[in-house]
Amino acid sequence: KAGVTQTPRYLIKTRGQQVTLSCSPISGHRSVSWYQQTPGQGLQFLFEYFSETQRNKGNFPGRFSGRQFSNSRSEMNVSTLELGDSALYLCASSRDREVYSNQPQHFGDGTRLSIL
Amino acid sequence: AQSVTQLDSHVSVSEGTPVLLRCNYSSSYSPSLFWYVQHPNKGLQLLLKYTSAATLVKGINGFEAEFKKSETSFHLTKPSAHMSDAAEYFCVVSDSGGSNYKLTFGKGTLLTVNP
Repeated sequence: KAGVTQTPRYLIKTRGQQVTLSCSPISGHRSVSWYQQTPGQGLQFLFEYFSETQRNKGNFPGRFSGRQFSNSRSEMNVSTLELGDSALYLCASSRDREVYSNQPQHFGDGTRLSIL
Repeated sequence: AQSVTQLDSHVSVSEGTPVLLRCNYSSSYSPSLFWYVQHPNKGLQLLLKYTSAATLVKGINGFEAEFKKSETSFHLTKPSAHMSDAAEYFCVVSDSGGSNYKLTFGKGTLLTVNP
């Protein structure tokens, strides 16, 4: 069974540009979450998608957005890139999204975004 | 609100000696707790999870953790460290009674294993 796949693995952009990152969850998983990981702030939750709808959002500016397609694949977009957006962006999937869920999330290897 | 505190940012052990990574949590509901490991330039891999069944949880690669409600702790242990255990470890809490399905991560503990 294939794991969570994130593309691209590495990306270099300049300030002011925009970027789109892609995540393909494990087959059968319907919940996709995105995280930003930096040395200073650690792992921070960006948002979660389930059934093509954003269900939960972290404390990030509106420049960070995402969407989920009918096949559960998800994309994350960051507009007007800033130096501080340099980070490892991780995608995680889980089978379902019950309120009382105790299911673990399965992570991809991330996209390393560098802003020059 | 939920929170996680990993008490040590860096732990260094010798190969073959025990490992103890400490984690305290705060949760308004009955929490689910997880330990994840992250090797350099990789995503997070689940080591083990606690979901209100047995308080002593066994995971992969010889790791285990004990849920202690009275101490609000979920420390990770391993009897004998291996060089391949060198990585960063994250303690994670998920409120199973809240309306938001969201994980809260600790800041991580970097484990160094010396030969």
